[in-house]
Amino acid sequence: GENVEQHPSTLSVQEGDSAVIKCTYSDSASNYFPWYKQELGKGPQLIIDIRSNVGEKKDQRIAVTLNKTAKHFSLHITETQPEDSAVYFCAAFNDYKLSFGAGTTVTVRA
Amino acid sequence: DAGVIQSPRHEVTEMGQEVTLRCKPISGHDYLFWYRQTMMRGLELLIYFNNNVPIDDSGMPEDRFSAKMPNASFSTLKIQPSEPRDSAVYFCASRVFEAGNTIYFGEGSWLTVV
Repeated sequence: GENVEQHPSTLSVQEGDSAVIKCTYSDSASNYFPWYKQELGKGPQLIIDIRSNVGEKKDQRIAVTLNKTAKHFSLHITETQPEDSAVYFCAAFNDYKLSFGAGTTVTVRA
Repeated sequence: DAGVIQSPRHEVTEMGQEVTLRCKPISGHDYLFWYRQTMMRGLELLIYFNNNVPIDDSGMPEDRFSAKMPNASFSTLKIQPSEPRDSAVYFCASRVFEAGNTIYFGEGSWLTVV
């Protein structure tokens, strides 16, 4: 099955700085890569996604990049704000299922 | 849209008791997923349904766990008998095939077995 690895497990950034989270996947058949944000006591919420035929996608302060050859994808958050503090999960979609990374706890210091 | 609705939000039960978690997917969605989240194992897929039919239950940990989807708007995940190691957050999620692969999660059911 699909194996998704995510780094780092924790990330502390100064407000206004950028945050980058990286993921790798194992199955070349995976074709859809969403990122979820989970706040304390809540379910994962989709924040951005990218499909395998696209190399980069941006939505305001959030961007994702995908390198299919290397089988890795990244989340970039620019101009971080305190409300960006949360746990972020990457995932890979294959065979009708999502496989998740272990998560990155992001803390934005004011 | 109301989103995926789960109940109960929190449950504390004694070891050996039966636990039933409930889920109402987003209307019109034809896939339903049950995930479990723990610190040690992260988010694990337990089982998923397509058009109310269980497709893959390979993630169900053992026979104490069972899931049903009697109709398109309701699913249950049952644990009988419950054990302390079942303590986790259980998420239900749903998806509609025509809209691509986007999967929407509920707020979760926080289960504690003492």
